[in-house]
Amino acid sequence: DAKTTQPTSMDCAEGRAANLPCNHSTISGNEYVYWYRQIHSQGPQYIIHGLKNNETNEMASLIITEDRKSSTLILPHATLRDTAVYYCIVSSMDSNYQLIWGAGTKLIIKP
Amino acid sequence: DGGITQSPKYLFRKEGQNVTLSCEQNLNHDAMYWYRQDPGQGLRLIYYSQIVNDFQKGDIAEGYSVSREKKESFPLTVTSAQKNPTAFYLCASSALGAGKWLYTFGSGTRLTVV
Repeated sequence: DAKTTQPTSMDCAEGRAANLPCNHSTISGNEYVYWYRQIHSQGPQYIIHGLKNNETNEMASLIITEDRKSSTLILPHATLRDTAVYYCIVSSMDSNYQLIWGAGTKLIIKP
Repeated sequence: DGGITQSPKYLFRKEGQNVTLSCEQNLNHDAMYWYRQDPGQGLRLIYYSQIVNDFQKGDIAEGYSVSREKKESFPLTVTSAQKNPTAFYLCASSALGAGKWLYTFGSGTRLTVV
């Protein structure tokens, strides 16, 4: 079973920030939080990952709470091309290279 | 450009036939994976391989087989023993070491068994 809980779906207006929450209340100390997204009928694409500190790259920002039990992926200026399923995954060195995928959040960007 | 190539994109087969899905990567990645995805679901791991000539079963390996004779190639055979083979199949690869969870995925093969 996936170790994370995400809303099934969300809407966001084009040009606004999209904030996607993820609950991982059972995360252990050595587990990272990873975000991928999957545009319809394509392979998933890596977005960002983090351990404790907030992270930012050219695609998104990742905000991890101090207790690490939840996180938020932020797409600062959503475009129609950001419509996709977003997956939040936790994993560690102990997982033998395996990522466990839940159903993710279907994000729909509306014009 | 480096990447993963899956072929074909769409595949139709009759029930009871074995079918092989191709996956080739030129990223020099050591690890390769096969996933199955059903509508509205997440990805489920079928098989994975960390080195040539070695592979391990994932969560749903029954009815599938793989080989890893070359670093670049990780073909998946869907056998007639797989009870419900119609699905979207995704191949991925990753480097070992610090980048091991930075997966690169192919564009997938949609298999339909009639």
